[in-house]
Amino acid sequence: GAGVSQSPSNKVTEKGKDVELRCDPISGHTALYWYRQSLGQGLEFLIYFQGNSAPDKSGLPSDRFSAERTGGSVSTLTIQRTQQEDSAVYLCASSEEGTSWLTDTQYFGPGTRLTVL
Amino acid sequence: AQRVTQPEKLLSVFKGAPVELKCNYSYSGSPELFWYVQYSRQRLQLLLRHISRESIKGFTADLNKGETSFHLKKPFAQEEDSAMYYCALRSGSARQLTFGSGTQLTVLP
Repeated sequence: GAGVSQSPSNKVTEKGKDVELRCDPISGHTALYWYRQSLGQGLEFLIYFQGNSAPDKSGLPSDRFSAERTGGSVSTLTIQRTQQEDSAVYLCASSEEGTSWLTDTQYFGPGTRLTVL
Repeated sequence: AQRVTQPEKLLSVFKGAPVELKCNYSYSGSPELFWYVQYSRQRLQLLLRHISRESIKGFTADLNKGETSFHLKKPFAQEEDSAMYYCALRSGSARQLTFGSGTQLTVLP
C-alpha cells in the first residue's frame, strides 16, 4: 500500500512568513510523529499524536510551532513568523502503535525541505 | 534525559572489509534501541531493533547495557551498504525516538 506522504516536497519562504506542511499517514495508523532534521544535526522530535489523546508537544522548539491532526488522519505542521534557523527537513512518521513491538515500527515520509531566506 | 551519541560522522571501508558503526547511549532505565538507514534519495527506514535480535542485510547489533552501547556490525561490507545510518533510542513510556547525529558510511570498491 501507499506509504507516508508529505507535501510540499520543497518550500522556500521569506523570513517572517507563515508556512504549513502536510502529512498523510499510512491508512489505519493511529500514531503520527513530526521530526526535524537540521543541517549537521540529527533528527529531533517535535510532536506526537496518538488517537484521540492530547498530543505530546514536548519537542516543539517555540510557540511559533504548532500542529494539528484532523479526524485522526492528516496532520498539518504550522510554523508562524519563520526564521532562518527554521530551515530544515521536516519528517513525518506514522505507526500502528499496537501493544506489540511487531506493530509499532515508525514509517517515515520523504520529508519537506524548508528553506527560509 | 536520554542521549544517543554516534562518534563518527563519516566512515569509509573497502568492499569485503568488516564494518562497525558505533552508538552509545545514556539513559538510566531499560531502553529500546534501533538502527535506521537512509539510502541516497530514499526515505528513512528501520534496519533493525535490539528486541528482535535479527540479522538484516547481514547487519547485527547487540545491546551492551554495561557499556551502554549498541554498535552496528557487518562482517563483509558491500557497496550497496553505502548510506546514512542513525542510531535511535526509545525510553520508558515515551513513544518518540531520540536519534543520534548519524554516520555516513561509504563502501569503496
